[in-house]
Amino acid sequence: GQQLNQSPQSMFIQEGEDVSMNCTSSSIFNTWLWYKQDPGEGPVLLIALYKAGELTSNGRLTAQFGITRKDSFLNISASIPSDVGIYFCAGLTMEYGNKLVFGAGTILRVKS
Amino acid sequence: DAGITQSPRHKVTETGTPVTLRCHQTENHRYMYWYRQDPGHGLRLIHYSYGVKDTDKGEVSDGYSVSRSKTEDFLLTLESATSSQTSVYFCATRTSGGYNEQFFGPGTRLTVL
Repeated sequence: GQQLNQSPQSMFIQEGEDVSMNCTSSSIFNTWLWYKQDPGEGPVLLIALYKAGELTSNGRLTAQFGITRKDSFLNISASIPSDVGIYFCAGLTMEYGNKLVFGAGTILRVKS
Repeated sequence: DAGITQSPRHKVTETGTPVTLRCHQTENHRYMYWYRQDPGHGLRLIHYSYGVKDTDKGEVSDGYSVSRSKTEDFLLTLESATSSQTSVYFCATRTSGGYNEQFFGPGTRLTVL
């Protein structure tokens, strides 16, 4: 099936640090979505991107739709403890019947 | 969010028994989805619905069936549960129109012994 490569798989954050993660694919996508999941809960939509090159912010979060339409990245600035969780990218591609395909997730943990 | 509830939230069952999970939404969204989430695999689509009585298979549909008799409810049935179906199941909804944003329910943790 369709694969989205999400990296890093996990990372540790210290309060105040900036965080970056990305998703890449060999296929072209029409939409990129970024979700956050807390333990025991469902994913919550953070940012939706619909246009190549689009840069969208939501508070301390910024996401971009890559120019090639094959990648997207998410940045978190000045991280805080509640940023801990799993972040998923999801892409919509006509190659898979116009349905969402998800990355495996990036786990954000707090550096102790 | 789309006011999505899932029931039950947790279930333990035995191999070979039938199981039905329910998703209920209050936003009148046209599209509904069932996903399973397993470590290292992200979310994988099981089945989806594009209207009442209109359903189709997703990526990992073997062993699952669905039904949608009214807009607000989407049922996922495991006819004869197997240990490989131990997972966390999420329902999602999407409105019609040009936006592709899906909204997720809280999930059901299913354990098949």
